[in-house]
Amino acid sequence: AAGVIQSPRHLIKEKRETATLKCYPIPRHDTVYWYQQGPGQDPQFLISFYEKMQSDKGSIPDRFSAQQFSDYHSELNMSSLELGDSALYFCASSLGPSNTEAFFGQGTRLTVV
Amino acid sequence: QKEVEQNSGPLSVPEGAIASLNCTYSDRGSQSFFWYRQYSGKSPELIMSIYSNGDKEDGRFTAQLNKASQYVSLLIRDSQPSDSATYLCALRSADRGSTLGRLYFGRGTQLTVWP
Repeated sequence: AAGVIQSPRHLIKEKRETATLKCYPIPRHDTVYWYQQGPGQDPQFLISFYEKMQSDKGSIPDRFSAQQFSDYHSELNMSSLELGDSALYFCASSLGPSNTEAFFGQGTRLTVV
Repeated sequence: QKEVEQNSGPLSVPEGAIASLNCTYSDRGSQSFFWYRQYSGKSPELIMSIYSNGDKEDGRFTAQLNKASQYVSLLIRDSQPSDSATYLCALRSADRGSTLGRLYFGRGTQLTVWP
């Protein structure tokens, strides 16, 4: 079965650079979530989209922005990167935003040096 | 804030034993509950979902939900070394509005199954 696809899998950036993470949800899934997970931490919710509209916003820095496109894929744009942004970034998708199962992609490991 | 509390562990059980993982939550409006398994450096993998009171069994896994007591648990029977991972309890709120659909996670319980 098709899963959530994230790219790239690994990314190394220097401080103050920008990064773009991409997420392709499971076919027919219309809801996408972005999570950030630091070492030894539980996943922290960043932002979500339902039917191409932002549906919820969590602890996402102002330096970050995201959107969901007409084909339901989503991109997380990160600017003015800081060392503290180094983490695993996961995207998850679900069919609808409530009472349904959410499946995670393999994640993007971002390292800021 | 939809608090989700898990027994912090780490939990260590011998191969073949039953591993019991527990989770409590603060929001009585929560309706959907999930258990994810996460290996180190990997993404969370959904292993169980439960929406109504009672037990739900899937192979060696049994999820139990008690909404009155606000807890959800996961039992792993015949534990195997390959079950060694961090288990994350997650829930969805029934709120309509801006928090619709967001998954709230516990801090996770690290399980080690030794041969």
